[in-house]
Amino acid sequence: DTAVSQTPKYLVTQMGNDKSIKCEQNLGHDTMYWYKQDSKKFLKIMFSYNNKELIINETVPNRFSPKSPDKAHLNLHINSLELGDSAVYFCASSQVYGRASGGATNEQFFGPGTRLTVL
Amino acid sequence: AQSVTQLGSHVSVSEGALVLLRCNYSSSVPPYLFWYVQYPNQGLQLLLKYTSAATLVKGINGFEAEFKKSETSFHLTKPSAHMSDAAEYFCAVKGNTDKLIFGTGTRLQVFP
Repeated sequence: DTAVSQTPKYLVTQMGNDKSIKCEQNLGHDTMYWYKQDSKKFLKIMFSYNNKELIINETVPNRFSPKSPDKAHLNLHINSLELGDSAVYFCASSQVYGRASGGATNEQFFGPGTRLTVL
Repeated sequence: AQSVTQLGSHVSVSEGALVLLRCNYSSSVPPYLFWYVQYPNQGLQLLLKYTSAATLVKGINGFEAEFKKSETSFHLTKPSAHMSDAAEYFCAVKGNTDKLIFGTGTRLQVFP
């Protein structure tokens, strides 16, 4: 029944490793996002995909590579993990890309988050 | 460009007291505005949204917010706080792109 799900919920790993976080939405939405929440709770968008195409890439290091195999999935792969990558990563989805469509507000629905700890 | 300022990183109220969480925005186009709530170790849940219709917006859990263009504000209120309202609250703005720009959040504590 979960609308936007992420796995794993917790991820603890060593510096230099490569790891992936998976996201799936069952809302039938066209657009998906990745956000990073740092230790001070600040939320910042990293990427957005619309119909499997990359739309937003917010100057994120190229160690981060999103992949969208289909509209319902947006995975995040991180190479050569660094201490500063420790954060909570949230996946989100919205019905369509852009501000509004047919009167809809295009609000974003968030997943439960993945807490990444790099040691 | 869009930005959001949330005044007060921490707000404490007694149970039953008025809750007021402040949000001011900056936007070069008519904004869409949102309030999200984050309970401990959970994701973000939409409380309410403003989309250029009615300026007074009612959301879930008894919260409401009023869009005031002259003050560039979108403050969140609730007449009577419950213990279960304790959480982190985020104001966000969307301009003419798909990006949600978040404020730095306000932690609400409710004392018995």
